[in-house]
Amino acid sequence: QITLKESGPTLVKPTQTLSLTCTFSGFSLSTSGVGVGWIRQPPGKALEWLALIYWDDNKRYSPSLKSRLTITKDTSKNQVVLTMTNMDPVDTATYYCARSSGWFDPWGQGTLVTVSS
Amino acid sequence: QSVLTQPPSASGTPGQRVTISCSGNSSNIGGNYVYWYQQLPGTAPKLLIYRNNQRPSGVPDRFSGSKSGTSASLAISGLRSEDEADYYCAAWDDSLSGWVFGGGTKLTVL
Repeated sequence: QITLKESGPTLVKPTQTLSLTCTFSGFSLSTSGVGVGWIRQPPGKALEWLALIYWDDNKRYSPSLKSRLTITKDTSKNQVVLTMTNMDPVDTATYYCARSSGWFDPWGQGTLVTVSS
Repeated sequence: QSVLTQPPSASGTPGQRVTISCSGNSSNIGGNYVYWYQQLPGTAPKLLIYRNNQRPSGVPDRFSGSKSGTSASLAISGLRSEDEADYYCAAWDDSLSGWVFGGGTKLTVL
């Protein structure tokens, strides 16, 4: 059974850096073709893809957020970390991680991050 | 504004068939597979359709997907109250080198 779970701060201040960890089980990020992605969803709004890291350490970022995002993996710990700099209230959202094998499935439960002073 | 365009809402009565459209361009839907996700209230999205028209195991055959040119559709037949959810389409975009989602369609079962 594949599971993913997001963890990190629930509240960050404007201009701070957000670091979120996705801890997964049931698959390995060293398996060819496998990746882990991050997607967010502001309250009441649509899904927005953020970043994706592949088994071979290839990385893809949303063009609109690329300058603020960094995605890394620790294969031995079954973890993927997403860092987002210069947080703003508009970044308030539920952040999801999901396994990718050509598409996102399954997804973690998500973690709500609020940006407020 | 989402790259893929979906109607914000759709509705139907139990037993009816409803369709949800998703419109893109040649960089995304026109040249790549389309995926559909179902998001029940208060939960994470769940894969509903992959590679245009394939259903993961456990997804009822009441759900079907299709694609033509730069548009795709999700059809739900025999509508049930538990189908009330938000539905999102997604595709890889070659120009953006990233994933794009639709704005989501809220399905109401009357």
